[in-house]
Amino acid sequence: DVKVTQSSRYLVKRTGEKVFLECVQDMDHENMFWYRQDPGLGLRLIYFSYDVKMKEKGDIPEGYSVSREKKERFSLILESASTNQTSMYLCASSLWAGTGVANEQFFGPGTRLTVL
Amino acid sequence: AQTVTQSQPEMSVQEAETVTLSCTYDTSESNYYLFWYKQPPSRQMILVIRQEAYKQQNATENRFSVNFQKAAKSFSLKISDSQLGDTAMYFCATETSGSRLTFGEGTQLTVNP
Repeated sequence: DVKVTQSSRYLVKRTGEKVFLECVQDMDHENMFWYRQDPGLGLRLIYFSYDVKMKEKGDIPEGYSVSREKKERFSLILESASTNQTSMYLCASSLWAGTGVANEQFFGPGTRLTVL
Repeated sequence: AQTVTQSQPEMSVQEAETVTLSCTYDTSESNYYLFWYKQPPSRQMILVIRQEAYKQQNATENRFSVNFQKAAKSFSLKISDSQLGDTAMYFCATETSGSRLTFGEGTQLTVNP
């Protein structure tokens, strides 16, 4: 079974703190993704990565950065947390699109981040 | 830009009955994939069913089936013989090149005993 793990289920931080959210997958997937989930808005893509050290902006990258130093690990960084970044953060991974099949994304359990 | 719309924020159904969740989308891609994901109270997102746009036959997975109307850009999910374990948030999504997914707003389905 594919397993995607996230470092914390719940996290509380203060405004202005630097926050690291970690994601690890064990299926040697090339693609990794970070989403935020808010009620009524569904999931919105923050950043994604096709390979080690590669990153692409998603739909809402402002206020976030990412790091992918190893294939299995994809980190989301909030440089200076703000209250409007209080949300659920979901990590996902999938096989490279070149396989020619509908690429299922496998999700982690999510981190509920509260910024006070 | 792609958009996905789920016009039903909440739905409920009695156990053993059938329910249909609606989804419409907009894309300029010629080839794409469509997905329904389920997020139960445990928060673990799980793939329910997928459809490749170039396939005319509607996908089916046990009690779950889709009604894919390509011209109308509609992709509804039918759940037959609803079970209590089907209670979850359901998300419709489209995938285009680069493996990116665009999600709808979600529909909270409650199955009542």
